[in-house]
Amino acid sequence: EVQLVESGGGLVQPGRSMKLSCAASGFTFSNYGMAWVRQAPTKGLEWVATISYDGSSTYYRDSVKGRFTISRDNAKSTLYLQMNSLRSEDTATYYCTRVRNFPYWGQGTLVTVSS
Amino acid sequence: DVVMTQTPPSLSVAIGQSVSISCKSSQSLVYSDGKTYLHWLLQSSGRSPKRLIYQVSNLDSGVPDRFSGTGSQKDFTLKISRVEAKDLGVYYCAQTTHFPLTFGSGTKLEIK
Repeated sequence: EVQLVESGGGLVQPGRSMKLSCAASGFTFSNYGMAWVRQAPTKGLEWVATISYDGSSTYYRDSVKGRFTISRDNAKSTLYLQMNSLRSEDTATYYCTRVRNFPYWGQGTLVTVSS
Repeated sequence: DVVMTQTPPSLSVAIGQSVSISCKSSQSLVYSDGKTYLHWLLQSSGRSPKRLIYQVSNLDSGVPDRFSGTGSQKDFTLKISRVEAKDLGVYYCAQTTHFPLTFGSGTKLEIK
């Protein structure tokens, strides 16, 4: 059974940093690209970042470029999202999912950016 | 960016009725490999999104054949036949052909 388990969310002050993790199991993690998708409260889904299967390529939405870094550790089957200079508009539930076809989603981890 | 225009924003239907949701993209979603990366997701209340259909018309395992996806290039449709109570939630179309990946704004399906 495929599982994606996000962790690391919580309350953080504007301007501070936070690192999210997503532990994957049930498939060969190192064979697939992965992505983070977020959902602000009561809003729709918004893609954040994607990383290739080997970590050599990364892609970001414009609003997080230079602030967020997606990475992975294939030996640990874990995906990460380092978020720096957080803003109130980054408040959302963050999901990890596999690309390219979004077959699996984690349960999400809530990040609240507030003073 | 590829804009995904999803309509209607909400639907209220009786059990047993059929419904269709439209998703139109601002650019063709055909990738250089010839495949069209347009998918349909359902997010039930308080839950994570769940994929129903991938690459326009391929049903995920366990998804009843009351669900069907059609379309090509820039115009796509999700049809739900004989709606059941468990079908309620928000449906999203999503494209993974072009970066940035984008989603429709969602269609909330309610049961009368």
